[in-house]
Amino acid sequence: EDQVTQSPEALRLQEGESSSLNCSYTVSGLRGLFWYRQDPGKGPEFLFTLYSAGEEKEKERLKATLTKKESFLHITAPKPEDSATYLCAVRANQAGTALIFGKGTTLSVSS
Amino acid sequence: DADVTQTPRNRITKTGKRIMLECSQTKGHDRMYWYRQDPGLGLQLIYYSFDVKDINKGEISDGYSVSRQAQAKFSLSLESAIPNQTALYFCATSESRDSYNEQFFGPGTRLTVL
Repeated sequence: EDQVTQSPEALRLQEGESSSLNCSYTVSGLRGLFWYRQDPGKGPEFLFTLYSAGEEKEKERLKATLTKKESFLHITAPKPEDSATYLCAVRANQAGTALIFGKGTTLSVSS
Repeated sequence: DADVTQTPRNRITKTGKRIMLECSQTKGHDRMYWYRQDPGLGLQLIYYSFDVKDINKGEISDGYSVSRQAQAKFSLSLESAIPNQTALYFCATSESRDSYNEQFFGPGTRLTVL
């Protein structure tokens, strides 16, 4: 069964304290791994797509990496405005066009 | 203006009532999706549509129906609402080219069924 697991469920950081969020997946043929940011009461906002192991993408303080079993979202020197829930999703061969989402990691950054 | 809009943004209704949630997009995408999100759970796919004539059930379609009125419009209906359909509902769109899988989400509709 295709599955996506995110850890930790919640993460509290001080401003400037770098850390990483994890997304592990088991799918039958990965056709893309996606990271989204979601603010409370709002729709997910697309951040990155990764397609193959070894691929990396960066945007401001965020960097996403991909291996054959997991993806990391590295947050460097976070600011309070980075506080949000970060969602990971995969598209697998068996899923057609559907995305399979993890439950998310809620990040809180305090000043 | 937002690329993907949803109406209403909030709705409170009673058990047994029929409810329609509407989604419109100006991104020019062929593919549209409806998801629901419950606290502590991931997004779950209800229905998706590749074009006006192509509608498919997702993993949790029971109790829901959809209508694709045009390329830009995709509506979700709850024929007889029940309390466990209380959730956040999101519409999303994506391009039809297979290599471009990114889905873009609307702002959501918060539905409460009493």
